Amino acid sequence: NAGVMQNPRHLVRRRGQEARLRCSPMKGHSHVYWYRQLPEEGLKFMVYLQKENIIDESGMPKERFSAEFPKEGPSILRIQQVVRGDSAAYFCASSPRTGGGNQPQHFGDGTRLSIL
Amino acid sequence: DQQVKQNSPSLSVQEGRISILNCDYTNSMFDYFLWYKKYPAEGPTFLISISSIKDKNEDGRFTVFLNKSAKHLSLHIVPSQPGDSAVYFCAAATSGSARQLTFGSGTQLTVLP
Repeated sequence: NAGVMQNPRHLVRRRGQEARLRCSPMKGHSHVYWYRQLPEEGLKFMVYLQKENIIDESGMPKERFSAEFPKEGPSILRIQQVVRGDSAAYFCASSPRTGGGNQPQHFGDGTRLSIL
Repeated sequence: DQQVKQNSPSLSVQEGRISILNCDYTNSMFDYFLWYKKYPAEGPTFLISISSIKDKNEDGRFTVFLNKSAKHLSLHIVPSQPGDSAVYFCAAATSGSARQLTFGSGTQLTVLP
């Protein structure tokens, strides 16, 4: 789906474990965004990153959640000590570096996280 | 506080007819609007966008209309095809917000053959 690669597609964790979700942006894209979708709802913004920088994390829960986009490798969304309420679909999107104007974000197929 | 609202959870349309999906927003700072289509178990696929300096943007069978005074936008699909059956999300952003998207809750479009 538009070249943004997310893995795993499905992840099952027990309460208290850690979940790591990975996202490789489209080639040439340097902006990465993470969104969460709960059942029957729209996507909710979590965090916006560029290489080695968190630009906007206003949508991230204050505890247990963290994100990074290292110089090399994919972006990682980490959820520590997962709880049942973390069960959701997590989508990553990317967009190109822009010199001005608006660019649409392109999404991966998501990671479905299930907490037992 | 839902800043982007799609009040119709579902819409059914006959093949070949026009589909009109609606979206309302409350934040007057939004100046960039997008429509995405989503199939089950897939990510949203970008369809069409519009900047607040325009009131209409067209791409093939898809046209988006923006009414800034009413804070309302709509997506027209004509003619509708069975393959258009999906959930359609409206999204909005402000230029100064690092481009985070605010999504509506989606409308399930079913195109009947």
